[in-house]
Amino acid sequence: EAQVTQNPRYLITVTGKKLTVTCSQNMNHEYMSWYRQDPGLGLRQIYYSMNVEVTDKGDVPEGYKVSRKEKRNFPLILESPSPNQTSLYFCASSSTWASGSGEQYFGPGTRLTVT
Amino acid sequence: LAKTTQPISMDSYEGQEVNITCSHNNIATNDYITWYQQFPSQGPRFIIQGYKTKVTNEVASLFIPADRKSSTLSLPRVSLSDTAVYYCLVGEGQNFVFGPGTRLSVLP
Repeated sequence: EAQVTQNPRYLITVTGKKLTVTCSQNMNHEYMSWYRQDPGLGLRQIYYSMNVEVTDKGDVPEGYKVSRKEKRNFPLILESPSPNQTSLYFCASSSTWASGSGEQYFGPGTRLTVT
Repeated sequence: LAKTTQPISMDSYEGQEVNITCSHNNIATNDYITWYQQFPSQGPRFIIQGYKTKVTNEVASLFIPADRKSSTLSLPRVSLSDTAVYYCLVGEGQNFVFGPGTRLSVLP
């Protein structure tokens, strides 16, 4: 089954404790992306990757890091989480992206709470 | 960046056809128009995508006028399960920008 998986699905942590949210897709997609969703602000793109070792900032990259060492995986790293990073996070992948083409497949989401 | 404008919310009754219009005055020549559906606490789900004129699939139709400055998502005969937020996306290449979306409520 074609899918995007994220782990963990729920996470409660404390300020400053480094964490990683994993994302994996089994569709051999080149494009992967991370979003956060907050009430009233919709979905905002954090980082995206067009292929292995190719990443770029989205609209809200501050406080986040990513890496793309393998085509299927795109982990999101919060090196020093703060309460304002409490949010619902989604990973997505797509086979194409040029001119906004292609269908993005989204993961189930990770609900992060930073206290 | 192409910006989209959609109604914040819409109400409909079961069995009716629903049309949600998205305005994108600054759409670039090569940009595609894509619509997603999102249920609470779930990731968005692709509905339909088009470049010009009309596109139809098993769940929706997308109407795009010749000037491409707007587009209309048409959902035929909605049911309660169509209650969700609908997002219109335009182009942006690799940097996808979701607007606030349209919250559709389907009433019995």
